[in-house]
Parts: sequence; C-alpha cells; structure tokens
Amino acid sequence: KNQVEQSPQSLIILEGKNCTLQCNYTVSPFSNLRWYKQDTGRGPVSLTIMTFSENTKSNGRYTATLDADTKQSSLHITASQLSDSASYICVVSKYNNNDMRFGAGTRLTVKP
Amino acid sequence: DADVTQTPRNRITKTGKRIMLECSQTKGHDRMYWYRQDPGLGLRLIYYSFDVKDINKGEISDGYSVSRQAQAKFSLSLESAIPNQTALYFCATSEQGAGDIQYFGAGTRLSVL
Repeated sequence: KNQVEQSPQSLIILEGKNCTLQCNYTVSPFSNLRWYKQDTGRGPVSLTIMTFSENTKSNGRYTATLDADTKQSSLHITASQLSDSASYICVVSKYNNNDMRFGAGTRLTVKP
Repeated sequence: DADVTQTPRNRITKTGKRIMLECSQTKGHDRMYWYRQDPGLGLRLIYYSFDVKDINKGEISDGYSVSRQAQAKFSLSLESAIPNQTALYFCATSEQGAGDIQYFGAGTRLSVL
C-alpha cells in the first residue's frame, strides 16, 4: 500500500476557478512534505516544501498546507489558468531525506 | 529541465537486451537519483548517489545497475531488459543543504518488447 495517497485522481475545472488537492500520508518518521507540478512529457518541478514546524507555504497562486498531527496536506490553486493543467505530486520524506515516498498524483485539467 | 539532460528521450528495445540510460547535469549538484514512473503509481526510487563512486539502492533496484564515475554523470543500466521494465525513467539531482530540492530531467520513455 502506498504510504502517500492523493485525491482526487483527476479533476476538471474551469479557468479562473479555485481548487484544492489532497494528500494523506502514513510515512514516519516525517521530515518534510513537497508538492511538485509535472507537465505532460516533462519532469516534476518543485512548488513548495514544508517541514514539520510549517503549516502553510505559498508560491504565487499555489498555497500548500500541512497538518502533521493528522498527516494531511492540501494544495490550493487560486484563480486557475490553462497552464495549471498538469499532474500534481505530493512527496513525503523520512528524516534522512533520501527515502522519499511519492504519491500517484492528481491530474488537473483546466478548461477555458 | 535543461540543466539535467537525459538521453535517449525514447527507446524501444527487445527482451534480453542490455540498455543504458544516460543522465548528465550542469547544476554542480553532488546528489543524483534514478526513478521510474508507471501509470497510476508514484515515482519509485531505483538508485541514488551522494557523490562520485557512492552508490545506494533504492526501493526497486533489482534488475538495474548504475554508474557514477563523474559528478556530472549518472547512468542507469538494464542488464537484461524485460517487458515489466517498460516505464518512464527520470533522473534527478539535488544539493545537500539547499532544502534538498530535486531537479528532474525530462525523462526517458523506455519500451521493452
């Protein structure tokens, strides 16, 4: 069983709308949680990284939250654009950082 | 992505063949990684290296080998390719201490027939 579960698997929204993607994890001990964006045919690109003591981190229209007690994270996208269409991947690292567990991703499609 | 270059971008091979995937980086990072990505699954770590000559197994190293003979280059080999190694392979780099943020190449799509 994957230690990082993301939901929904896929999502379609209209341009300009907001959306929230979810990530639940069981990875322990916890070091940090990252969100990546992966465009079709490209490698993942880092959006945010949060450690245990951080509960929110923003990168432009992307805002990630972390609740380390419930082991949940979310990625909120504000005022979506067509270029936001991509897969969004949640990655949780154990304390030594070289043991990272990747979620399967949420495929977001933004339509005009 | 241009700082981390993977070759080839696409490869079709036959079962039993030996194949090598190359990764080179111009970022000057000490850490390099090889992952595979399968539909519906998250990326899984195959091997990683923290320095030249340093090799560590990841989650799914069976059937693969790697070589890190220069800081900028990290190659992945399939000694005898099998169909279930058909996947998208990614190389990544990171620098210790800089949040260990990983930078990924564009990927190599490998099909084993």
